[in-house]
Amino acid sequence: QQPVQSPQAVILREGEDAVINCSSSKALYSVHWYRQKHGEAPVFLMILLKGGEQKGHEKISASFNEKKQQSSLYLTASQLSYSGTYFCGTERHGGSQGNLIFGKGTKLSVKP
Amino acid sequence: AAGVIQSPRHLIKEKRETATLKCYPIPRHDTVYWYQQGPGQDPQFLISFYEKMQSDKGSIPDRFSAQQFSDYHSELNMSSLELGDSALYFCASSRTGAGRTEAFFGQGTRLTVV
Repeated sequence: QQPVQSPQAVILREGEDAVINCSSSKALYSVHWYRQKHGEAPVFLMILLKGGEQKGHEKISASFNEKKQQSSLYLTASQLSYSGTYFCGTERHGGSQGNLIFGKGTKLSVKP
Repeated sequence: AAGVIQSPRHLIKEKRETATLKCYPIPRHDTVYWYQQGPGQDPQFLISFYEKMQSDKGSIPDRFSAQQFSDYHSELNMSSLELGDSALYFCASSRTGAGRTEAFFGQGTRLTVV
């Protein structure tokens, strides 16, 4: 079951903040976040394994609420380089290894 | 650091032809994933292998098959190609081991079917 991402697209000015959400109808074992620029491979940002876990990566952080089966990606003080499509990938709790399903993505555009 | 290597980077085939895409995972990675990404679309999971055995199957057409070899490299074989098969094909690898680890993507193979 594909996770649902929202919003589908976001336009920001440099320095503004954004939140991207990812939710699943099934219990999750882990949530992975990736950023992809046009024509390039998705680049790994972070993985969250535990319920309630939060992680940070520069000015990008994320949380994972296992009970709600949701994860959120927080981008603060956005930079031009943050532009791209953000995908969350989920692994089902108890699912077989090697099953990483992506959401449809959130397109983020950061303007000067 | 070594990354996931995919070959070829670009491939042009005619309808009904066959194609083979290769993926060389990061050393010591035991899991390989294949994804298909159409223009403006999200990566669609096709199939994955863990320790040379198929571990999961997604939306992979029956015309496609894949395997992982003893050296952990993987090949995606595509037969009776259709125009709709034109897409970017990504391979990713991870080291599952004792727990889930992140998957690293190769640069992809752009397949164009004409």
